Order: sequence, then structure tokens, then C-alpha cells
Amino acid sequence: DAKTTQPTSMDCAEGRAANLPCNHSTISGNEYVYWYRQIHSQGPQYIIHGLKNNETNEMASLIITEDRKSSTLILPHATLRDTAVYYCIVRVNYGGSQGNLIFGKGTKLSVKP
Amino acid sequence: DGGITQSPKYLFRKEGQNVTLSCEQNLNHDAMYWYRQDPGQGLRLIYYSQIVNDFQKGDIAEGYSVSREKKESFPLTVTSAQKNPTAFYLCASKPGGGAFGTEAFFGQGTRLTVV
Repeated sequence: DAKTTQPTSMDCAEGRAANLPCNHSTISGNEYVYWYRQIHSQGPQYIIHGLKNNETNEMASLIITEDRKSSTLILPHATLRDTAVYYCIVRVNYGGSQGNLIFGKGTKLSVKP
Repeated sequence: DGGITQSPKYLFRKEGQNVTLSCEQNLNHDAMYWYRQDPGQGLRLIYYSQIVNDFQKGDIAEGYSVSREKKESFPLTVTSAQKNPTAFYLCASKPGGGAFGTEAFFGQGTRLTVV
């Protein structure tokens, strides 16, 4: 079973920041937080991951709370092409079954003009 | 260009027939995975392989079989024992254990319809 909880859906206005929350209250000390997104009928795409520090790349920022029990993915200037299902996943960063990606139902983000 | 390729994109089969879905990667990744996705649902893990000639069952392996004879290939067979085979199938790969930045790469999926 997925170890994360996300809202089923969210709306965001084009050009505004999209903030997608994720709860992972049972996360272990060696587990990372990963974010993927899936545009309709395509394979999921990696966005970002982090352990405890905040992370930023060209796609998004990841804010992890100090107790690591929750995180927020931020898309700073959402576009219509960011409409997708966003998955938050926790996993260890090495091989074996503990490193498998276990998907929940994710958050369907709709960016509106 | 490096990547992971699934074929075909759409596949139709008659009930009771076995069908094999192809997954090839040229990323030199050790680990490969098969997922199934039903409408409105997340991905569920069918089988995974951490290394050539070895694979393990995921959460929903019944009615499926795999092989891993080559590092770059991980075909999935949907057998007649799978009760509800119509679904979207996704293949993924990632580097082996111990590597940082070990994000998984996904293929574009095969949509299987059994009639």
C-alpha cells in the first residue's frame, strides 16, 4: 500500500503557483520523498526528490517539513501543460523491494486559463 | 537517444489468448518494472527485476509471467489466467541500488484491450 496521502484533485489558475501537499506521517529515516506526474495516457515523468532539505530544479521546488511528516510540491508558474496527475511516493534510495515505487491515486491538478 | 520503449502502443486480443508486451531500454539500467493501471487508478506493480535472470512478483502477479534474459529487455506475458486483462500497462527502469538520483524512467505504455 502507498505510504502517502494526497488530495484527490486541485485547481490552479494559469500563471499562478500550484502547491500540492502530501502527508507521509510514517516515513522512515532512510526514505526519500519522490514526486512524479502523469499526463493523460502517458508514462509517469520524474519531477524531483528529497530527503530532508528543500530541493529545487528546473521543473519544481520541494518543501519538506522539519519532522518530515509532510511535504509540498510547488510549480511556481503553472501552465496548461502542467495539467496532470501528481504522485507523491516515499521509498529508500537503493535497490531491493524497499526501493520499489509504490503509487497511490495521486492528485489530479487542473490548470485553468 | 537513450530511453525505454514499449510496443505496441495499442493491442487487441481475443479472450483466452496469451499476449506478450515488449519493453526495451538502452539506458544500461539494472532494474526493470511492470505496472498495470486501470481507469482513474494509480499504478500497481506486477513484476520487477533487479538483475538479469532474476525477477520477483509484485502486488498483482497472478495471471502474468515475465523473463529477463537480457539486461535491456523485460517482456511481460498476459496469460489466459488473468481474469481482467484489459488495462494500460507501463514498463519502467532505473539504475541499480546504491546510485543517487535513482529516478525511474517510464515507457509510454501499451493499452491492451481483450474482447
